[in-house]
Amino acid sequence: DGGITQSPKYLFRKEGQNVTLSCEQNLNHDAMYWYRQDPGQGLRLIYYSQIVNDFQKGDIAEGYSVSREKKESFPLTVTSAQKNPTAFYLCASSGFVSRQPQHFGDGTRLSIL
Amino acid sequence: GNSVTQMEGPVTLSEEAFLTINCTYTATGYPSLFWYVQYPGEGLQLLLKATKADDKGSNKGFEATYRKETTSFHLEKGSVQVSDSAVYFCALSESGGGGADGLTFGKGTHLIIQP
Repeated sequence: DGGITQSPKYLFRKEGQNVTLSCEQNLNHDAMYWYRQDPGQGLRLIYYSQIVNDFQKGDIAEGYSVSREKKESFPLTVTSAQKNPTAFYLCASSGFVSRQPQHFGDGTRLSIL
Repeated sequence: GNSVTQMEGPVTLSEEAFLTINCTYTATGYPSLFWYVQYPGEGLQLLLKATKADDKGSNKGFEATYRKETTSFHLEKGSVQVSDSAVYFCALSESGGGGADGLTFGKGTHLIIQP
């Protein structure tokens, strides 16, 4: 079955450490996204990529970095510059044409040790 | 910029009650509108969508009608079940430059259905 796989489901970060969250999709979608979810705040867009080797900042990109070397993969790195990284991170994908619904993975919960 | 406003929760109802979750939006153009549902510890699942004025999206007994004149997309269900307990997100998608941009989400409404 086609879908989006995020790993790991739970991740712990020490102070000053970078961590990378994995997102893989086999839906043949061109566009991929990363959102951050905090309690009572809905979802906020971190980065998105419409095609391979290209990506744009979303509303809260500071402290995060991404790469898009393959169509299927869009990893997110939470750097030590992100001072409040504890959150639930969701990856999504969609077709390239605008206004398409997005398909979501099951998320990664990141916590600080 | 774009924004989505939905009613604050939690919303607590008894089984078989009628459900309405209000959603209004602000957009510079003509967006597509979506309702997503999130069960505990999981990602979001698309519940229904509408792409133009007066379109009615429907799925699993839920309905929402795209009202351009009131910029609204309220979610309704005639008879809720305990299994409908979840967080519901209203969202819009609008891309002035073509291509796929991110969705703009409301803050979510936590729905609790009691037996």
